[in-house]
Amino acid sequence: EVQLVQSGAEVKKPGESLKISCKGSGYSFTSYWIGWVRQMPGKGLEWMGIIYPGDSDTRYSPSFQGQVTISADKSISTAYLQWSSLKASDTAMYYCARHGATVVTPGYDYWGQGTLVTVSS
Amino acid sequence: DVVMTQSPLSLPVTLGQPASISCRSSQSLVYSDGNTYLNWFQQRPGQSPRRLIYKVSNRDSGVPDRFSGSGSGTDFTLKISRVEAEDVGVYYCMQGTHWPLITFGQGTRLEIK
Repeated sequence: EVQLVQSGAEVKKPGESLKISCKGSGYSFTSYWIGWVRQMPGKGLEWMGIIYPGDSDTRYSPSFQGQVTISADKSISTAYLQWSSLKASDTAMYYCARHGATVVTPGYDYWGQGTLVTVSS
Repeated sequence: DVVMTQSPLSLPVTLGQPASISCRSSQSLVYSDGNTYLNWFQQRPGQSPRRLIYKVSNRDSGVPDRFSGSGSGTDFTLKISRVEAEDVGVYYCMQGTHWPLITFGQGTRLEIK
C-alpha cells in the first residue's frame, strides 16, 4: 500500500528555521517525483514545487523559489520542505503528494496527511 | 501562468439532485503527447485532497460512478449525478500540462441545501 506519512504539527516564531518531512513507503520512492502543496487557512491549494528523489532534481513554482528549499534523502525514502527564516505568512497546512513517474503526468494520486505549521510571536 | 477558473465557487445542492462544476483554463491543456492533464480533487472537511478524476474523464479506483468528468481544450466539467451527504467538501481542478508550473482552480464549495 502506497503511503506518505508527514511529520507532526509545528509552532514556531518568526525568524526561526524549520524542516518538515514526508516519508514514502509501498512503492519505489526513487522513481516518482514528490510534490509539495500549500494550503493557507481557509484558502485553496497552491503548488510549491517537486523533487525527484532518485537524483534530487528539483523544480520550484516562481512564487516559492527562494522562499523554501525542497530536498530528499533517498536512503530513508524521505522528502523535506524547509525554511531558513519563517514569517507569519508561512502559517499554513503543507501537503506532500506523489507527483508521478514523469514530469508531465496525471499525478497527485497519493497524499500525505498534511503538516500544520503555525508561525506566531 | 495558466489560470484555472472554477464556477460556481459555492454550490448548494439538495440531496439526490445533480451537481455540476465548471473549470476553464486560460490556455489549452492538450499536451504534445496528445493527452490532456486535467485532474479533479475532492477535499472533505479536515482531510487531505483526494484525486477523483485524472486526464479529464478517468475515474480513480474506489470513486463512485456518480462522479464523471468531461471536456476538452480549455473547458472542463465535473458532474455528480446524485449528490450524497458524503460529497460535502471543496472540489478543485488542477492542470499538469504546463509543467513545471502546475496550477489549481480556486475551489468550489459543495454544501447540502
